[in-house]
Formats: sequence, C-alpha cells, structure tokens
Amino acid sequence: EDQVTQSPEALRLQEGESSSLNCSYTVSGLRGLFWYRQDPGKGPEFLFTLYSAGEEKEKERLKATLTKKESFLHITAPKPEDSATYLCAVQAFDDKVIFGPGTSLSVIP
Amino acid sequence: GAVVSQHPSWVICKSGTSVKIECRSLDFQATTMFWYRQFPKQSLMLMATSNEGSKATYEQGVEKDKFLINHASLTLSTLTVTSAHPEDSSFYICSARAETGETQYFGPGTRLLVL
Repeated sequence: EDQVTQSPEALRLQEGESSSLNCSYTVSGLRGLFWYRQDPGKGPEFLFTLYSAGEEKEKERLKATLTKKESFLHITAPKPEDSATYLCAVQAFDDKVIFGPGTSLSVIP
Repeated sequence: GAVVSQHPSWVICKSGTSVKIECRSLDFQATTMFWYRQFPKQSLMLMATSNEGSKATYEQGVEKDKFLINHASLTLSTLTVTSAHPEDSSFYICSARAETGETQYFGPGTRLLVL
C-alpha cells in the first residue's frame, strides 16, 4: 500500500539552530515528490518538486533532497518566520497524490 | 505565477442550505483541479479530482450527490455542498494543476461553518 510518513510530528528550534525534517515513502513507482509549507488557516504554499533520487533543490534557507525511500527538508539557520507546518506529498505513476501528516515547526526567537 | 484563488474565504450558513465554493487558476490553464478537506491539526484529505469538461472522480467515502463538483472551464471549478449539516463544517481547499506539469498549486482555502 502506498504510504507517506513524516517525522518528527513537531519540532521546536531556537532561531539559528539548523535541523532536518524527514519524509519517508513507499509507492509503486515515484513520479514526483513535493514539499509544501502551510501556515494556520491558509492553503499550502508550494516549495519544491523532486523527481529522481539524488536530486536536490534549494530556496533561501531550505534545501530538499531525495533518495529512493525518503526525502529530507534541511532548514539552515531558521528564523521565526519559518514557523509553519511542512507537508510532503508523493505522486505515483497512477497519478495518485498522497500527502503525509506534516511536521509542525516552531522557531523560537 | 501559478496563482489559485478561492471564493469565498469563509462562509457561515444554516443547516439545510447549499453553499458554492469557487476555485480559479488566475495565470495558467488548469486541466485538473482537486478538492481537499482539512480538519484541525490534520493533513489534507482528497475529496475528488476533476478534469475540465468531464465528470469528477470522487474518493471512496465521499458522497457525490452531496459534494457537487463542476469543472466547466480551464480556469474554474466549483464545489457545491448541498443540504449542508454541521458535520460538513471544515476547511475546504482546492488545487490546480496544468497539463504540462505534476505540481499542484493550492488556493487559500474556504472555511465553512454550518450552524
């Protein structure tokens, strides 16, 4: 069964304290893996799409990497405005998109 | 680019009435649109997928007669919650995907409260 899990469920960081969020997946053929950021009461905001193992993408303090079984979202020197829920989603060859439960990130000043 | 809007952003209605939510892709043509429901502190739950000009595909457990979806053009999809009840209160989010890509771009969401 296709599945997406994320860890940790919640993460509290001090401002400037770098860390990584994990997205593990099992899917019958990966077509793409997506990272989104969601603020409370708002729709998810697109961050990255990764297509193949070994691919990396960066945007400001965020860097996403992909292996055959998982993806990491690395946050370097986070700021309070990076506080949000980060969602991972996987698209299989049958076009089905499965969202993970998310990681709630809090960055404390 | 890739902006998706939703209207209204929030709505309060009485039990038994119907509510229509609009989802528009503002700067691209969306061959596929998706409707999600999200409960507090939970992830997105896909309700249905709609392709322009054809009937929507509903996920298991989602009542197609209760949640009517219309995708009449490449920039507009609507979700109508018919005979709404308090248990339909939720955060409804749409997303849109262009023909040439896999990435879904999300709208800002619509919060529905049924009294």
